Amino acid sequence: AQTVTQSQPEMSVQEAETVTLSCTYDTSESDYYLFWYKQPPSRQMILVIRQEAYKQQNATENRFSVNFQKAAKSFSLKISDSQLGDAAMYFCAYRSLRNTGTASKLTFGTGTRLQVTL
Amino acid sequence: GAGVSQSPRYKVAKRGQDVALRCDPISGHVSLFWYQQALGQGPEFLTYFQNEAQLDKSGLPSDRFFAERPEGSVSTLKIQRTQQEDSAVYLCASSPIYGYTFGSGTRLTVV
Repeated sequence: AQTVTQSQPEMSVQEAETVTLSCTYDTSESDYYLFWYKQPPSRQMILVIRQEAYKQQNATENRFSVNFQKAAKSFSLKISDSQLGDAAMYFCAYRSLRNTGTASKLTFGTGTRLQVTL
Repeated sequence: GAGVSQSPRYKVAKRGQDVALRCDPISGHVSLFWYQQALGQGPEFLTYFQNEAQLDKSGLPSDRFFAERPEGSVSTLKIQRTQQEDSAVYLCASSPIYGYTFGSGTRLTVV
């Protein structure tokens, strides 16, 4: 079974600064997806960024980028130029690439609460 | 609708009461997932539907939990004889094939 670990329960960053959220995972599979989701107080999970394990290039979406280290099973999220609206819970998640019923579910970490200060 | 709709948004149930939580997925989305998110935790998988077929219910914590999606669209998660440990946010997500859209969840509080 796959597991996802987020070792930082809380992080704080000043507005306009850069912060990195950590995630490690464990799997015996070679092909999979990794995700970062943002969950504001509204509770809806919002996709921030996605990485396919077979791609060596790190994914980037505007101010958000990842550092994907497949051998180390590490998948950190970097938020540049932090904004007040970035404050939320951030969850790292894993999904098998196999498109079968069980494999398509997401396995989440326990989350990191990000505070953004002025 | 444009997104995944869940109702009610909040539900308070007395211990022992039965509850039904509704999920209205995006039209045409084949896959539907239910997750349970306890306070301060990440969501945990409960069950998965492909159209009307429940292909995986391995995450349902007990036989008090039951889910259905009879016509392959709206899904209902039913919890019988609720207990305090059932208090959580219940999230629904739908997906065409790849990618997920989540609803805003139902916060269930059992008192």
